[in-house]
Amino acid sequence: NAGVTQTPKFQVLKTGQSMTLQCAQDMNHEYMSWYRQDPGMGLRLIHYSVGAGITDQGEVPNGYNVSRSTTEDFPLRLLSAAPSQTSVYFCASSSGAGGGSPLHFGNGTRLTVT
Amino acid sequence: TQLLEQSPQFLSIQEGENLTVYCNSSSVFSSLQWYRQEPGEGPVLLVTVVTGGEVKKLKRLTFQFGDARKDSSLHITAAQPGDTGLYLCAGRGQAGTALIFGKGTTLSVSS
Repeated sequence: NAGVTQTPKFQVLKTGQSMTLQCAQDMNHEYMSWYRQDPGMGLRLIHYSVGAGITDQGEVPNGYNVSRSTTEDFPLRLLSAAPSQTSVYFCASSSGAGGGSPLHFGNGTRLTVT
Repeated sequence: TQLLEQSPQFLSIQEGENLTVYCNSSSVFSSLQWYRQEPGEGPVLLVTVVTGGEVKKLKRLTFQFGDARKDSSLHITAAQPGDTGLYLCAGRGQAGTALIFGKGTTLSVSS
């Protein structure tokens, strides 16, 4: 099993450009989420989904859109990139949304917005 | 808003020393997890604790969940260079689905 796969690994954007960060999991997990990680800030939740067709906002959703058309995929869209969105983005999935269900993380996408 | 405060933020020790990392909150969590992250990779789960007062051991690592389920600690005995990494605690609220992370403790163990 590949687990959680994120593409691309690295990306440089100019301010105002748009792009989609891809995330796919092959573990049939219902719950998927996106986090951003910045120095000294830990992991902050952007958006999450408890199943296909269902998404909700996390702690820092502004500037990001998501959709969940299939169980496997959970893409993150930046409609108009800003320098403040320079960060490392992690996608994660788990079999359940509550209790002690562990999150399985991808290896991240490092995004730089100039 | 539920917050998890981790301390210390940075820790640099010699091989063989013991250390403790703390994760504190004013909120009650239904469960708390500890993750370890190495450079260029995503966090990997170390342990989940769900019962107040619970203690779990993973080789030289001991995890404890506070009686009131508001805090947790990670104790490493006889640290080794392979323990170097970023340690993150994460908690789920009583009714929430989202996992909230602390800011992490960066541990460096030198030989």
